[in-house]
Amino acid sequence: IAGITQAPTSQILAAGRRMTLRCTQDMRHNAMYWYRQDLGLGLRLIHYSNTAGTTGKGEVPDGYSVSRANTDDFPLTLASAVPSQTSVYFCASSERTGSGEAFFGQGTRLTVV
Amino acid sequence: QKEVEQNSGPLSVPEGAIASLNCTYSDRGSQSFFWYRQYSGKSPELIMSIYSNGDKEDGRFTAQLNKASQYVSLLIRDSQPSDSATYLCAVKENFGNEKLTFGTGTRLTIIP
Repeated sequence: IAGITQAPTSQILAAGRRMTLRCTQDMRHNAMYWYRQDLGLGLRLIHYSNTAGTTGKGEVPDGYSVSRANTDDFPLTLASAVPSQTSVYFCASSERTGSGEAFFGQGTRLTVV
Repeated sequence: QKEVEQNSGPLSVPEGAIASLNCTYSDRGSQSFFWYRQYSGKSPELIMSIYSNGDKEDGRFTAQLNKASQYVSLLIRDSQPSDSATYLCAVKENFGNEKLTFGTGTRLTIIP
């Protein structure tokens, strides 16, 4: 089934630890995104990639890094996790760069303790 | 200042009635508008996009856009219990700009 796969589904992480959230899409979409969703704040863009080899900063990039080595994969890394990074993380993709019509993965629920 | 405003609800609507969801935005340069549906514990799913003033209909859903009033709405006709979800309004400035700004969502409950 075509779509976006995120891993892990959920994770409890000790503060200060490094963590990579994985995201893979098989739709050959050009653009990919990472959002975090927090109660009362809605979805906020962390980082994005218009195409393989390029990345950009979103609204809340601090503490996060991404890479886009190929079309399908867009991992999000927390170098040193802090409790404020407790959130639900969604990876998304769009067929066209700059389109707001995004397909979302199932999400990763991350708790930093 | 919130750029995209939605009433958080909950909005309760009897089954079979029309549900009306509203969204206002602050950036007059916004060009593209979207409604996403998110069931509890699930990921957002695009249900409507609208780019021009007026109405756009897709099945039981109608999106309405008024750029002069900076207002976009979603009407759901013949509401069904399966429509119970949180509806997210999203606004984009223009093509090429990656910032898609989401509202915090309106929780809709359809009462059987």
